[in-house]
Amino acid sequence: LAKTTQPISMDSYEGQEVNITCSHNNIATNDYITWYQQFPSQGPRFIIQGYKTKVTNEVASLFIPADRKSSTLSLPRVSLSDTAVYYCLVGDMSYSGGSNYKLTFGKGTLLTVNP
Amino acid sequence: DSGVTQTPKHLITATGQRVTLRCSPRSGDLSVYWYQQSLDQGLQFLIHYYNGEERAKGNILERFSAQQFPDLHSELNLSSLELGDSALYFCASSVGEPRTYGYTFGSGTRLTVV
Repeated sequence: LAKTTQPISMDSYEGQEVNITCSHNNIATNDYITWYQQFPSQGPRFIIQGYKTKVTNEVASLFIPADRKSSTLSLPRVSLSDTAVYYCLVGDMSYSGGSNYKLTFGKGTLLTVNP
Repeated sequence: DSGVTQTPKHLITATGQRVTLRCSPRSGDLSVYWYQQSLDQGLQFLIHYYNGEERAKGNILERFSAQQFPDLHSELNLSSLELGDSALYFCASSVGEPRTYGYTFGSGTRLTVV
């Protein structure tokens, strides 16, 4: 399973765009990049997943450069309710890959949105 | 509501005791995953079941066991409990390959061992 590195914490203000970058230098060919959000005492919530280039959904965008050694989660116009821990995971998400069974979330990035 | 139901929400028990945590996956999801989250650790994968069969084990202690029943609900059994077992225990489910939608987590069971 590819090791990931993300900042321990970030601060932002309401209405700003927030970009959280994750490094995954040893990403494998079959690995996907997935981001989760976790509020205190709640289970993580799937945000977005991608393989290459850009993926966008109703809550976030995920930018992945051509070498795929990093990825950036972009949250547009954050609000106080976006204060949470954000986890970056990298792994082969198919059952044939096997390693996805053992996804470990690490420490994540604590995003604090201030008024 | 994520659709994954975990009971009980809170559990306080004494060292040496045994407890059972229950998880009902989202309707249609065949896979159930158990995770443990303590204050000093991230979310640690424990075990994965797919349609009643154990598929993978992570850092699960021998004092812990799990099973998935024909109706697809799962139970995590923790025995000979120690203070260090105090943690949040999450269950997640997925319909099959979590490639597109990832895992859906429940709200967890907070276990306190005193």
